[in-house]
Amino acid sequence: DPKIIQKPKYLVAVTGSEKILICEQYLGHNAMYWYRQSAKKPLEFMFSYSYQKLMDNQTASSRFQPQSSKKNHLDLQITALKPDDSATYFCASSQDWGCAETLYFGSGTRLTVL
Amino acid sequence: GDSVTQTEGQVALSEEDFLTIHCNYSASGYPALFWYVQYPGEGPQFLFRASRDKEKGSSRGFEATYNKETTSFHLQKASVQESDSAVYYCALGDRGTGSKLSFGKGAKLTVSP
Repeated sequence: DPKIIQKPKYLVAVTGSEKILICEQYLGHNAMYWYRQSAKKPLEFMFSYSYQKLMDNQTASSRFQPQSSKKNHLDLQITALKPDDSATYFCASSQDWGCAETLYFGSGTRLTVL
Repeated sequence: GDSVTQTEGQVALSEEDFLTIHCNYSASGYPALFWYVQYPGEGPQFLFRASRDKEKGSSRGFEATYNKETTSFHLQKASVQESDSAVYYCALGDRGTGSKLSFGKGAKLTVSP
């Protein structure tokens, strides 16, 4: 059974719209992350959270907003979508945040913006 | 900043061939090094890691040795199988940057029967 669940697996959106990508992990981990993968940049770090607190943000745009309602939940809201946002977005988790922890990834949400 | 360089973008082998995928890193501190494998339609899967000089990581027949002198962590496997076809990523985690991993560009391995 998958331990990190991402929904939906595929998502098509129109330019200017807003979407939410869902992520839940059942590994009992305390830290969660978002990464983006596209043809231009293979695996790019976006955000990290620890105990629902934002620890690191490497995303330049405020259009990307993580939302954590529970410790094992980290959704990603993307507003004013652009075609350049088309990518696969991966959620990941680790036991704790801090010292070069091993990350475990979900299967991703492939977003296409038309 | 910290970075990982993978020189092979594509690797084509036949079954039972020996595999080497090169990984070199650049970091100011003493990073942890990782190998991940990604199959089509899936997320990256953790293979193994090494955290100190001369430490060997291994899993499923794959192995790599942390070499601080040459700043390398090359992935090797003695005899590849068709089922090993996937994209392999080397990654670096620096203790100074929390738990952010920096990934290389990946090497796509294709193994022919």
